[in-house]
Amino acid sequence: GDSVTQTEGPVTVSESESLIINCTYSATSIAYPNLFWYVRYPGEGLQLLLKVITAGQKGSSRGFEATYNKETTSFHLQKASVQESDSAVYYCALGDRGRIFFGDGTQLVVKP
Amino acid sequence: ETAVFQTPNYHVTQVGNEVSFNCKQTLGHDTMYWYKQDSKKLLKIMFSYNNKQLIVNETVPRRFSPQSSDKAHLNLRIKSVEPEDSAVYLCASSSDWGQNTLYFGAGTRLSVL
Repeated sequence: GDSVTQTEGPVTVSESESLIINCTYSATSIAYPNLFWYVRYPGEGLQLLLKVITAGQKGSSRGFEATYNKETTSFHLQKASVQESDSAVYYCALGDRGRIFFGDGTQLVVKP
Repeated sequence: ETAVFQTPNYHVTQVGNEVSFNCKQTLGHDTMYWYKQDSKKLLKIMFSYNNKQLIVNETVPRRFSPQSSDKAHLNLRIKSVEPEDSAVYLCASSSDWGQNTLYFGAGTRLSVL
């Protein structure tokens, strides 16, 4: 079945450092799934961070970027310089015809 | 801005009882979902409805049953709760079945004693 694997947390970085959270996917029933990053900030509900539906394209939001790589089946989340306000739990997800499969989530802790 | 509303926020009950959770979305979306988030924060899809029709029914125990009166409402009933049902239940909606961009509610936390 479809699945998503992402960096196990917690990931701790200092403010202004760069960040990468790895995500790889397996889509057995669809060739080009939609790929997402969702985020849950402390005290808030789960919300979409960015989405890419075309292989080879890059999505970006709030300084975060992720590129849909069909060859390596990856969708890594990157940011050049994190801020304390980026502390949250990040979920990589795959969309397949009405189903969305989430990774286990990666808690990011940004130290001041 | 909240547009997917879930009630109750919390519910504590005993094994064997029946519980029901409500979800309403004001986004005008066609598709609604129920997800279960367990103690390890893992998110698993349970059900998906499109225009009041069940389109996804993952492998969940038969004591779980979704109920949809219209496309803005999707409730979840658990007939006889078990300890392993303790979790956060998240309702979500999307504009259509293939879109996949989900808007989540705040969740209902269920504790089964």
